[in-house]
Amino acid sequence: QKEVEQDPGPLSVPEGAIVSLNCTYSNSAFQYFMWYRQYSRKGPELLMYTYSSGNKEDGRFTAQVDKSSKYISLFIRDSQPSDSATYLCAMKQGAQKLVFGQGTRLTINP
Amino acid sequence: GAVVSQHPSWVICKSGTSVKIECRSLDFQATTMFWYRQFPKQSLMLMATSNEGSKATYEQGVEKDKFLINHASLTLSTLTVTSAHPEDSSFYICSDLAETQETQYFGPGTRLLVL
Repeated sequence: QKEVEQDPGPLSVPEGAIVSLNCTYSNSAFQYFMWYRQYSRKGPELLMYTYSSGNKEDGRFTAQVDKSSKYISLFIRDSQPSDSATYLCAMKQGAQKLVFGQGTRLTINP
Repeated sequence: GAVVSQHPSWVICKSGTSVKIECRSLDFQATTMFWYRQFPKQSLMLMATSNEGSKATYEQGVEKDKFLINHASLTLSTLTVTSAHPEDSSFYICSDLAETQETQYFGPGTRLLVL
């Protein structure tokens, strides 16, 4: 079993829809949770970063962490074609290395 | 967020030659930087952790004599792919550890094609 599980998709939704992206993990010691957006042929861009359980909102993006269920989510409201990318969840424990999910390929159709 | 640059953004080379990729942390002094490799439609694979002033720590299965890492200053780490072969063709991405050490910022990546 992988430490971090993420459905690779692809996921295709119409413009304006609410997108929900999810990851589950097995290591209860993970403390820091991140979502990265990666456009084709580009490096990952840090979108959201959370510590501990709860919600964090930034514009159209909301990151949610449920440590009791070992489950994290990223919600995108009013999705735009420019949101089409691969979304990677990542998490770490203290100074340990970052552990990535497989990435979900998202396409927003105009 | 932190800004990380990489140079070159892409490189094509002949089999057997060596290629050097530079990674710079532009807005703070990064004592720790990371090198990743990413194959098409796959997630990032950590190759090594680069620490300023000391030897890099390589992940299992990564040949340290083939992928030479130098982190001679707090803002620059280099990855040299020695005697490159077509199977080394990939997308190489560096990252620096944030000052809080709680997250990482990534460079734009270097696409290597070995003919």
